[in-house]
Amino acid sequence: EPEVTQTPSHQVTQMGQEVILRCVPISNHLYFYWYRQILGQKVEFLVSFYNNEISEKSEIFDDQFSVERPDGSNFTLKIRSTKLEDSAMYFCASSGGRGEFFGPGTRLTVL
Amino acid sequence: SQQGEEDPQALSIQEGENATMNCSYKTSINNLQWYRQNSGRGLVHLILIRSNEREKHSGRLRVTLDTSKKSSSLLITASRAADTASYFCATDLNTGGFKTIFGAGTRLFVKA
Repeated sequence: EPEVTQTPSHQVTQMGQEVILRCVPISNHLYFYWYRQILGQKVEFLVSFYNNEISEKSEIFDDQFSVERPDGSNFTLKIRSTKLEDSAMYFCASSGGRGEFFGPGTRLTVL
Repeated sequence: SQQGEEDPQALSIQEGENATMNCSYKTSINNLQWYRQNSGRGLVHLILIRSNEREKHSGRLRVTLDTSKKSSSLLITASRAADTASYFCATDLNTGGFKTIFGAGTRLFVKA
């Protein structure tokens, strides 16, 4: 069964560094999403992407964040200058119109 | 209440019993999804129900949607210890774009 994959599974970085989180959505899906979940808290919507552009973004998704679909398979989330409060699980999801299917997540730890 | 708010926050039942979790939301939606998350793990998609549907079934799961009350329920019948997890509803908002808001979840504990 096709699934969303994410790399790396765990990323440790120093405050102020840039990180890129990678996702490979399910191949025939057209809608892509990033979410984050701070430990013990609920899943928060960051951004959705469709037709090569951002569809919606939340207040969390400020100028420090960007997304890109550099080729036909990858979908990336870049955080330009990480802060301590960016430490969280980051989930990518994709949809073909019948529900969003999530990847296993990347645990980001900012020191 | 917030968009996608579940109740109860926590539920503890015996194996074999049914578990019912509820979700309420505030604004117009395109669809509503239910997810399961085991501690520290990813989100597993359970069911999607569209705004023009009232009920859906999948195995031991039954989901209802009442758009007039802006609420949904997830029923797990004949629960098993392996059903122990957090369950979230997620509403796809009718914004013209694609924006999904998750509730805080119900933590279900099924005792063997």
